Amino acid sequence: KAGVTQTPRYLIKTRGQQVTLSCSPISGHRSVSWYQQTPGQGLQFLFEYFSETQRNKGNFPGRFSGRQFSNSRSEMNVSTLELGDSALYLCASSSEERGYNEQFFGPGTRLTVL
Amino acid sequence: EDQVTQSPEALRLQEGESSSLNCSYTVSGLRGLFWYRQDPGKGPEFLFTLYSAGEEKEKERLKATLTKKESFLHITAPKPEDSATYLCAVRHSGNTGKLIFGQGTTLQVKP
Repeated sequence: KAGVTQTPRYLIKTRGQQVTLSCSPISGHRSVSWYQQTPGQGLQFLFEYFSETQRNKGNFPGRFSGRQFSNSRSEMNVSTLELGDSALYLCASSSEERGYNEQFFGPGTRLTVL
Repeated sequence: EDQVTQSPEALRLQEGESSSLNCSYTVSGLRGLFWYRQDPGKGPEFLFTLYSAGEEKEKERLKATLTKKESFLHITAPKPEDSATYLCAVRHSGNTGKLIFGQGTTLQVKP
């Protein structure tokens, strides 16, 4: 079974721009969560989508948004980028049928904001 | 508020020198405690999920245990390839996949 895939793997943007990241979950997984990882804050939860609906949201500003499509693929968008948005963005997928008891992460997208 | 604290922050071991990593948690209604391994520049790799106090799981040189307040990841006779950051996370009550992570323990195993 193919794992979680994320594209692109690396991105360089400048302040004020916006960016869209993509995540394809493991086949059959309908829950997709997004996390931001930085050296200072560690892994922080951004939001979770299930069946095209946002089910949970972390403490991030409204510049961070996401969506999920009918095939469970998910995208996250960051508008008006700031230097502090430089981070590794990770998505994880899990299966409701297995009670979310196994959550698998993708390789991440490394975003650098200049 | 749900909280996860891992210790130590960093650990250096000689090859073959066994040790344990600690994960203390406070969560309202634990629905699972997760252990991950993360190599530099990569996404976390799922290791174990524990659900109730007294539960243990093993994988090669790793053994995870769970009590009501903390979890331990025991590493027996580690090898240099076990060098990585080990992350602990909890999922609390509620029908969601949201995880709360600790800061991680960076393990270095020297030959």
